Amino acid sequence: DAGITQSPRHKVTETGTPVTLRCHQTENHRYMYWYRQDPGHGLRLIHYSYGVKDTDKGEVSDGYSVSRSKTEDFLLTLESATSSQTSVYFCAISGVGTGTSGRDTQYFGPGTRLTVL
Amino acid sequence: SQQGEEDPQALSIQEGENATMNCSYKTSINNLQWYRQNSGRGLVHLILIRSNEREKHSGRLRVTLDTSKKSSSLLITASRAADTASYFCATDPMNRDDKIIFGKGTRLHILP
Repeated sequence: DAGITQSPRHKVTETGTPVTLRCHQTENHRYMYWYRQDPGHGLRLIHYSYGVKDTDKGEVSDGYSVSRSKTEDFLLTLESATSSQTSVYFCAISGVGTGTSGRDTQYFGPGTRLTVL
Repeated sequence: SQQGEEDPQALSIQEGENATMNCSYKTSINNLQWYRQNSGRGLVHLILIRSNEREKHSGRLRVTLDTSKKSSSLLITASRAADTASYFCATDPMNRDDKIIFGKGTRLHILP
């Protein structure tokens, strides 16, 4: 999995509780992404980061926030989880080094299965 | 509808046969990528084809790109049981304000 880990791998939580998912890479890739994958919707981009402290919204960012204080780590936070956020969450990385556009091959983590009751 | 739509949604073939799946998109692109996802795993990059390329090969994989029709195809030759997976195309739009978009995937099942 190209040096990408996600934690936790599985989580069950209750509606209204905060949840933080962590993505950690050892590849020194500049770009990091959070996706959610749901049946019938494929993979949808939540947020992405193009450098430390540089983030931007994706297609389905409402209800999610992110932070990237180090190159290696990209955190996804659900401030107050809802049942509609039950999904499988994938982190991805791309663009080794600072001179790339990042819009090339993405390497994916193993995913986090989140269930919100 | 969204950029990068795979067709068919599901495909079952006998082991040893060739599998073809297609991807259509709507806007001009810089490149198109194909990924594979085994059940319960993350996506794995298979091949990237740039807008100025028409065909690319990697082992048993052959990808074509027709920018005039805004479509791409992925051919897997001599399929194996291990090829059972979902296959996704992802398009990198030429408009830099647009993000890379993944399609909903084709589920490929190789029958023994």
